[in-house]
Amino acid sequence: SQKIEQNSEALNIQEGKTATLTCNYTNYSPAYLQWYRQDPGRGPVFLLLIRENEKEKRKERLKVTFDTTLKQSLFHITASQPADSATYLCVPPGGATNKLIFGTGTLLAVQP
Amino acid sequence: GAVVSQHPSRVICKSGTSVKIECRSLDFQATTMFWYRQFPKQSLMLMATSNEGSKATYEQGVEKDKFLINHASLTLSTLTVTSAHPEDSSFYICSARPGNSNSPLHFGNGTRLTVT
Repeated sequence: SQKIEQNSEALNIQEGKTATLTCNYTNYSPAYLQWYRQDPGRGPVFLLLIRENEKEKRKERLKVTFDTTLKQSLFHITASQPADSATYLCVPPGGATNKLIFGTGTLLAVQP
Repeated sequence: GAVVSQHPSRVICKSGTSVKIECRSLDFQATTMFWYRQFPKQSLMLMATSNEGSKATYEQGVEKDKFLINHASLTLSTLTVTSAHPEDSSFYICSARPGNSNSPLHFGNGTRLTVT
């Protein structure tokens, strides 16, 4: 069955380093992937969308890649800050119903 | 940017009472809105799709008579939790998207419901 997987373990990094989060997909080829950020007690916030024909997309300190050979998207935050600490969610297209299904994401903790 | 406003942000109610949560798209029209529920340390679970001018579409396992959804205008959807029980205590979040079906979702800030 179609599956999107993110590392369920929390990622702990030191302030100033680059955080890299992984999103792997199996048994299908999403036309695009969306990345969201969710802080505790808040709704998710959209960050970036990358299409399958785009290798890379950037927004300020954020960079997303899409490798259709590896079936993987990587989400990078350069010069990470404690304020970047949150859960990051990789979300595939909603399909015919346009409903977005969210996984548990990866919790990023940036230590000062 | 597109803004979705959700109200109230927190509500405490007694068992057996009903609670209404409002979700408004402030600067765009939304023919479709989505209602999610999230328990601590778990993922967002889609409850239902709210359709303007027609009945909501509920996900499997979600009781439509318990979670009443009304989408009376292009900018407002409401979720009413009827006859609330403590197990309904959760974080409820609505979302909507401006533009076409491939555009990102914009979320409200959620409603923390506590049923005592």
